Amino acid sequence: GAGVSQTPSNKVTEKGKYVELRCDPISGHTALYWYRQSLGQGPEFLIYFQGTGAADDSGLPNDRFFAVRPEGSVSTLKIQRTERGDSAVYLCASSPGGDEQFFGPGTRLTVL
Amino acid sequence: AQSVTQLDSQVPVFEEAPVELRCNYSSSVSVYLFWYVQYPNQGLQLLLKYLSGSTLVESINGFEAEFNKSQTSFHLRKPSVHISDTAEYFCAVSGQAGTALIFGKGTTLSVSS
Repeated sequence: GAGVSQTPSNKVTEKGKYVELRCDPISGHTALYWYRQSLGQGPEFLIYFQGTGAADDSGLPNDRFFAVRPEGSVSTLKIQRTERGDSAVYLCASSPGGDEQFFGPGTRLTVL
Repeated sequence: AQSVTQLDSQVPVFEEAPVELRCNYSSSVSVYLFWYVQYPNQGLQLLLKYLSGSTLVESINGFEAEFNKSQTSFHLRKPSVHISDTAEYFCAVSGQAGTALIFGKGTTLSVSS
């Protein structure tokens, strides 16, 4: 079946601009996670949802970052006033509610 | 707070040699431990996991890892590697099932002939 998909695969933007990154989880998965992976580092947790609500947003670095999952399926990660330090691969994962998380291919964000 | 340390950033080995990728964690609570693998140009995939029970866990492609509570380690081993095992390997920990994963920085395994 279809895995987790993320769009766009690549996004180049200018410093100060607003970006949205989309995640389509595996159908029926109730939990959805966002991570950020900088060059040479492991994935760093940002936020996760159970259904429509954010169960843990402790990893969001500041108030420029926000994520929504209005219908309990697709999620959008929103970054305002982007900075060069936001450049990274943004990973989305979903889970049917157990312990295994299924990862998407990621969105590579480059802030010029 | 939980953290994961992968002691080797790069491990070069020859085909058919044994390999061990080291992982140590710190946590004040019970943990769930995972190894994820990322093959070139692919997404992260779960390789194996320890939740409870037997401390030795195995994957379908010959890797194994042993949970050692006293040494707070979860090292990954394979007795004989293949070229196709070349990938980035990430150790991860979570405090309970379904919550956020805390990853190490990763170990690049390079297998050559």
